[in-house]
Amino acid sequence: AQKITQTQPGMFVQEKEAVTLDCTYDTSDQSYGLFWYKQPSSGEMIFLIYQGSYDEQNATEGRYSLNFQKARKSANLVISASQLGDSAMYFCAMREVFPTGTASKLTFGTGTRLQVTL
Amino acid sequence: GAGVSQSPRYKVTKRGQDVALRCDPISGHVSLYWYRQALGQGPEFLTYFNYEAQQDKSGLPNDRFSAERPEGSISTLTIQRTEQRDSAMYRCASSLLGWGQGNNEQFFGPGTRLTVL
Repeated sequence: AQKITQTQPGMFVQEKEAVTLDCTYDTSDQSYGLFWYKQPSSGEMIFLIYQGSYDEQNATEGRYSLNFQKARKSANLVISASQLGDSAMYFCAMREVFPTGTASKLTFGTGTRLQVTL
Repeated sequence: GAGVSQSPRYKVTKRGQDVALRCDPISGHVSLYWYRQALGQGPEFLTYFNYEAQQDKSGLPNDRFSAERPEGSISTLTIQRTEQRDSAMYRCASSLLGWGQGNNEQFFGPGTRLTVL
């Protein structure tokens, strides 16, 4: 069974600073995908970034980057130059990839609430 | 519409009543997923479909929960004889591909907030 652990219930960061949100995972699968989603107070789930287990380079999307350390089973999200609008709940998730290909479920962590301050 | 839609957005019901929650995925998306999210927690998988076929229902908590997607588009999640512990946000998501390679991003709907009194 897959498991995602997010050990930081809440984080504070000053505007324009960088912040790292931790995520570790546990799986016996060789092939998997890692995701980060943002959930603002409005409740929507916004996809931020994806990392495949066989991707050799860390994923980047604008101000978001994923620090993927496969041997340590960690997939930390780095947000650079934080903005007030980044204040939200952030979820790390994992998807199991079947080689014969049927889509599979996402397993989510418990989330980290990020608050950006002036 | 452009995104995943769900209805109703809010549902208040009395214990013992049946409820039906609707999900309208993004047009052309093969896979449809149902999740349940308790307050302050991450979404928890319930079930998913590729086209009209229910591929995995291992997350449904008990036999009071069922889901269907008869024509491979709109899906309905039904909860029979609701209990207070069923109160949660029920989220639907869809993805373009019916297989697991690559990003295959899941696009989430706004959710239905269910309250069982």
